[in-house]
Amino acid sequence: GAVVSQHPSWVICKSGTSVKIECRSLDFQATTMFWYRQFPKQSLMLMATSNEGSKATYEQGVEKDKFLINHASLTLSTLTVTSAHPEDSSFYICSASFGTASGHEQFFGPGTRLTVL
Amino acid sequence: GQNIDQPTEMTATEGAIVQINCTYQTSGFNGLFWYQQHAGEAPTFLSYNVLDGLEEKGRFSSFLSRSKGYSYLLLKELQMKDSASYLCAVPNTGGFKTIFGAGTRLFVKA
Repeated sequence: GAVVSQHPSWVICKSGTSVKIECRSLDFQATTMFWYRQFPKQSLMLMATSNEGSKATYEQGVEKDKFLINHASLTLSTLTVTSAHPEDSSFYICSASFGTASGHEQFFGPGTRLTVL
Repeated sequence: GQNIDQPTEMTATEGAIVQINCTYQTSGFNGLFWYQQHAGEAPTFLSYNVLDGLEEKGRFSSFLSRSKGYSYLLLKELQMKDSASYLCAVPNTGGFKTIFGAGTRLFVKA
């Protein structure tokens, strides 16, 4: 099956610093990648949808200047949490899918646990 | 808009059968997914239903009724490793992104 990797798997940083998370599709070309955030015992909350070569589409309430998304190629998308604060501590998960048609399965990365001190 | 409802928690015994229900409201329909998520891990795909009826895949089966806006995931011969959250999800009306339910946390006891 399709494999998606994320790096790093966990990160601890000081408040005010920026953190970059990479999401890669290893054996397929992902036209669309999604970034989710998940707080403990809660469901996945979609943050943004990114397509290769174009600007990401952010969900309502997600600050685009704080969560910078770059989808530089068909196999790589990055999420940068700028000026991180303790409330940004969460589990960040990316997923990738083929094409843009409906009903396409999403392949999830293993997630990145961010802790901001 | 879209809305997905599923029970928050369920408990079942090892070896038993459990049914996790999901109801949804969408202005259009592009299929329904079930994912399994163990604590601290990313979701993994279980099933995708786009037509009415039951789809069986080993110990797991998924049912869909589009007219009722209803689906269920059936887990047979429960094992301790089945303790996880089960997420019901539907693509949005544009079919471009997927909306997830809050998930049902299943506890399997010996």
